Amino acid sequence: GAGVSQSPSNKVTEKGKDVELRCDPISGHTALYWYRQRLGQGLEFLIYFQGNSAPDKSGLPSDRFSAERTGESVSTLTIQRTQQEDSAVYLCASSLVGRPLTDTQYFGPGTRLTVL
Amino acid sequence: AQSVTQLGSHVSVSEGALVLLRCNYSSSVPPYLFWYVQYPNQGLQLLLKYTSAATLVKGINGFEAEFKKSETSFHLTKPSAHMSDAAEYFCAVSSDTGRRALTFGSGTRLQVQP
Repeated sequence: GAGVSQSPSNKVTEKGKDVELRCDPISGHTALYWYRQRLGQGLEFLIYFQGNSAPDKSGLPSDRFSAERTGESVSTLTIQRTQQEDSAVYLCASSLVGRPLTDTQYFGPGTRLTVL
Repeated sequence: AQSVTQLGSHVSVSEGALVLLRCNYSSSVPPYLFWYVQYPNQGLQLLLKYTSAATLVKGINGFEAEFKKSETSFHLTKPSAHMSDAAEYFCAVSSDTGRRALTFGSGTRLQVQP
């Protein structure tokens, strides 16, 4: 079946512009996660959705970052007034049930964001 | 707080040789441990996970890992490397500390030489 998809695959923007990144989870997966992967570093947790609520958004680095999810479907991550340090690959993952400690997470291919 | 350290950002082995990728964790409560693999231009894929059952965990593609509490380690091994194993490998930990998320290591890139 279809995996997690993300769009766009690449995004180049100018400093100060807003960007929206989209994630389509696997159908039927109730949990959705956003991570950021800076060059040469591991994945950094941003936010976790169970359904359309976000029990854990502790990883969002600043109030310029926000995310929402429609039901148990699409999620968008919005970065306002982008800065050069926001340049990274943004990864989305979903899991079936929503036991984030033990669930297998299925990852999308990521969106590579470059802020000039 | 929980954390993961992966020793060696790059590991190179010959085809047919043993693969050993090291992962040490820190957690104040019993951890759950994962290895994910990222092939070029693909998303991360779960190799195996430890969730407090058997300490020796077998995963896909011939990989296995052993949870050693005394050494706070969860090293990934494969007896004989194949060219197709070339990828980036990430160790991750979660634990019941309130944070509903995985904490990832910085990754180890495995090269397999012919």
